[in-house]
Amino acid sequence: GAVVSQHPSWVICKSGTSVKIECRSLDFQATTMFWYRQFPKQSLMLMATSNEGSKATYEQGVEKDKFLINHASLTLSTLTVTSAHPEDSSFYICSARDPTVRGLETQYFGPGTRLLVL
Amino acid sequence: AQSVAQPEDQVNVAEGNPLTVKCTYSVSGNPYLFWYVQYPNRGLQFLLKYITGDNLVKGSYGFEAEFNKSQTSFHLKKPSALVSDSALYFCAVRDVGSSNTGKLIFGQGTTLQVKP
Repeated sequence: GAVVSQHPSWVICKSGTSVKIECRSLDFQATTMFWYRQFPKQSLMLMATSNEGSKATYEQGVEKDKFLINHASLTLSTLTVTSAHPEDSSFYICSARDPTVRGLETQYFGPGTRLLVL
Repeated sequence: AQSVAQPEDQVNVAEGNPLTVKCTYSVSGNPYLFWYVQYPNRGLQFLLKYITGDNLVKGSYGFEAEFNKSQTSFHLKKPSALVSDSALYFCAVRDVGSSNTGKLIFGQGTTLQVKP
C-alpha cells in the first residue's frame, strides 16, 4: 500500500523556538494532505487540510499564524509550529489522499511526530 | 453535523474469545464509515470501510464490521482475538460537507486489551 513518511519522528525544543515537521507521500502524488493533532489517549483532531498550490484550510479554533502549513509540491507538506510553547506538546499526524485511487475516502497516515516543548 | 461515538474507553477480552468494539454514527445522508487501528507511538492503519453494498464488511487482520442502518452502528468485530490485536481503535466517518476533500471525523477511540 501507499506509504506516507514524517520527519522527524520526535523532537524536543525550547519554548519560543519554531519547529518544522515534514510529511511526504513516498510513492504517490498527494493533492490533499491533512494535519491532525492527538493528545494522550484522545482522538485525532483535524487541524487543517493542505492543498497543493493553494492555502491550507484551517479548522475552527486553529491559529493559522501559529501553525503554518505549506504544501509546495505534490509529495511534501510541512507544518511549522511557530514560537512553540509547552501546551503545543502533542503527537502530530499527517495523512495524504491518493487521488488516483477510486473514492475520496482513501487516506494514508504517516507514523506521527511527537513534539515536546520544554 | 456528522459525528461518531465510541461508547467504550476500553474493551478487555481474553485471547481466543470474540471481540466487539462499538461505534455509532450520526450523519445526514449515506454514511461512509471507517475503522483504523493505532499502535503505540505510531500513525493510523486502515482496517476496513463501508461505502455501500453488503452490510458485513471484511477487512485486514481478520477484522470485520457490520453496518446497521436502523441502529446507526458500525461495530468492529473479530471472531478470535489475539494478544497482538491490543491497540487503540478509531471509528471514523467521512464529512459529507467537506467539499469532496475526504475529511474524516474520528471517534474518541477505544483501547482494546487482549489478555493471554
